[in-house]
Amino acid sequence: GAGVSQSPRYKVAKRGQDVALRCDPISGHVSLFWYQQALGQGPEFLTYFQNEAQLDKSGLPSDRFFAERPEGSVSTLKIQRTQQEDSAVYLCASGRGNEQFFGPGTRLTVL
Amino acid sequence: GENVEQHPSTLSVQEGDSAVIKCTYSDSASNYFPWYKQELGKRPQLIIDIRSNVGEKKDQRIAVTLNKTAKHFSLHITETQPEDSAVYFCAASGNTNAGKSTFGDGTTLTVKP
Repeated sequence: GAGVSQSPRYKVAKRGQDVALRCDPISGHVSLFWYQQALGQGPEFLTYFQNEAQLDKSGLPSDRFFAERPEGSVSTLKIQRTQQEDSAVYLCASGRGNEQFFGPGTRLTVL
Repeated sequence: GENVEQHPSTLSVQEGDSAVIKCTYSDSASNYFPWYKQELGKRPQLIIDIRSNVGEKKDQRIAVTLNKTAKHFSLHITETQPEDSAVYFCAASGNTNAGKSTFGDGTTLTVKP
């Protein structure tokens, strides 16, 4: 079946712009995670959903970051007033139990 | 919270040799330890995982060992091939944090033909 998909794959934003990153999880997966991966580093946890409930948002770096999953399927990560330090690959993963399956990521570059 | 350290950061081996990557974790409540392979520009892919109720797991040329007392786990790749070249990440998670994974910083493995 289809894996996790993310769009757009690449996004260039001017500093101060708002961006929205989309994640389509594997059908039927209850859990959905967002991670931020800086160049040369491991993924860092941002937030976690179980169905539509956001159970943990402790990794969101500031109140400019907001995530939602209103119907328990597709999720959107929104970053307001982007800053250069937001430049990274944003990975989405869905799963059941402990196993997580990653999407290809969205590479965000803030100029 | 959980802290995962991974060593070495880079590893170069000759084709056919073995490669070992080691990770330590800090939270004794962690009970699930996956390993991911990430090729340049691609998504992390799960290659093997181990749960805290076992000490070793093997799948063809790859194996993982876990020492819960010492809080460390290792990835072993035997008979390495050039296509094994990638960045490998270890991670730790547990039931108390709803499956949230804490990742190591990665090991860049280069297998020379």
